[in-house]
Amino acid sequence: QKEVEQDPGPLSVPEGAIVSLNCTYSNSAFQYFMWYRQYSRKGPELLMYTYSSGNKEDGRFTAQVDKSSKYISLFIRDSQPSDSATYLCAMGTGRRALTFGSGTRLQVQP
Amino acid sequence: DSGVTQTPKHLITATGQRVTLRCSPRSGDLSVYWYQQSLDQGLQFLIQYYNGEERAKGNILERFSAQQFPDLHSELNLSSLELGDSALYFCASSVSTSYNEQFFGPGTRLTVL
Repeated sequence: QKEVEQDPGPLSVPEGAIVSLNCTYSNSAFQYFMWYRQYSRKGPELLMYTYSSGNKEDGRFTAQVDKSSKYISLFIRDSQPSDSATYLCAMGTGRRALTFGSGTRLQVQP
Repeated sequence: DSGVTQTPKHLITATGQRVTLRCSPRSGDLSVYWYQQSLDQGLQFLIQYYNGEERAKGNILERFSAQQFPDLHSELNLSSLELGDSALYFCASSVSTSYNEQFFGPGTRLTVL
């Protein structure tokens, strides 16, 4: 079993929809949680960074961390075709390399 | 633009050859990380350097090596290349030695023929 599980998708939604992307993990030592957006053949771009549990909002993006359930989510409101990309979750303990999910491919249809 | 630069963008070479990939971290960042991304393996951590010293090793093959120079740029050397080494190679940087907020470069696409 992988330390971080992420549904590969693809997830197809109409423009304007609310998108929910999720990762589950097994290592209770993870304290730092990140979401990256990666366009095709480009470098991952850091979208959200959260320490420990709770919510963080930035514009149309909201990240949630539930450490008790070992579950993190990224919500995208009013999704746009430009949001079409692969979304990678990443998490770490601060003492070793980040562990990345395999990525969820999102397609927002105009 | 993350501020991390990588050269070259594309590299096409033959099996058995050796190549060098270059990375310049964001201004002020002391840590550099190298990752390999292939279709079937996802993003795999290779190695980390902090202020010129190796700090952590991941799934890096013995044919691969890296270094970080006094000006903090880093090079990843890949030798005795095999077809399976074809992948995207990313460099990331962060301010500190902890492995948290990392900023990725645009990557080098390596094709081994």
